Amino acid sequence: EAQVTQNPRYLITVTGKKLTVTCSQNMNHEYMSWYRQDPGLGLRQIYYSMNVEVTDKGDVPEGYKVSRKEKRNFPLILESPSPNQTSLYFCASSDGRGIETQYFGPGTRLLVL
Amino acid sequence: KQEVTQIPAALSVPEGENLVLNCSFTDSAIYNLQWFRQDPGKGLTSLLLIQSSQREQTSGRLNASLDKSSGRSTLYIAASQPGDSATYLCAVTYSGAGSYQLTFGKGTKLSVIP
Repeated sequence: EAQVTQNPRYLITVTGKKLTVTCSQNMNHEYMSWYRQDPGLGLRQIYYSMNVEVTDKGDVPEGYKVSRKEKRNFPLILESPSPNQTSLYFCASSDGRGIETQYFGPGTRLLVL
Repeated sequence: KQEVTQIPAALSVPEGENLVLNCSFTDSAIYNLQWFRQDPGKGLTSLLLIQSSQREQTSGRLNASLDKSSGRSTLYIAASQPGDSATYLCAVTYSGAGSYQLTFGKGTKLSVIP
């Protein structure tokens, strides 16, 4: 089954404790991206990757890091989480360098205390 | 900077009614526009994708139109059902600094009353 998976689905952590949210897709897509969704602000793009070893900032990259060492994986790293990073995070993938249909993961709900 | 607006923010209709959701965007230089559905606590599911060269796309009871020159898109849902209740988001893909980025609207929350 074609899908985008994220882990963990739910996470509670404390300020400053480094964490990684994993994202994996099995569709051989070149394009992958991360979004955060906040009430009243909608979905905003954090980072995206056009292919292996190619990443770029989206609209809200501050406080986040990403890497793309393999085509199927695109982890999101929070080196020193802060409460304003409490949010619902989505990973997505797409063929055609991002101009085709986007497939979304189920989301990761993060609470930073 | 591309901005996407969806009006209304919420809509409640009786079952069986036809309805239209609206999406507008500020920069007409887009590659495509997508409509998504989001159920509470879940991810987004792509409903329709319209390329910039197309005027409309249809899937079952859904029809999406695109007027790139005026920066508008509509999603038409025929014979609405309670199972259509969800938040509907539109997103445009545009070129930013040599690559492609997506900008989303904030969505329209649809409730279909049995």
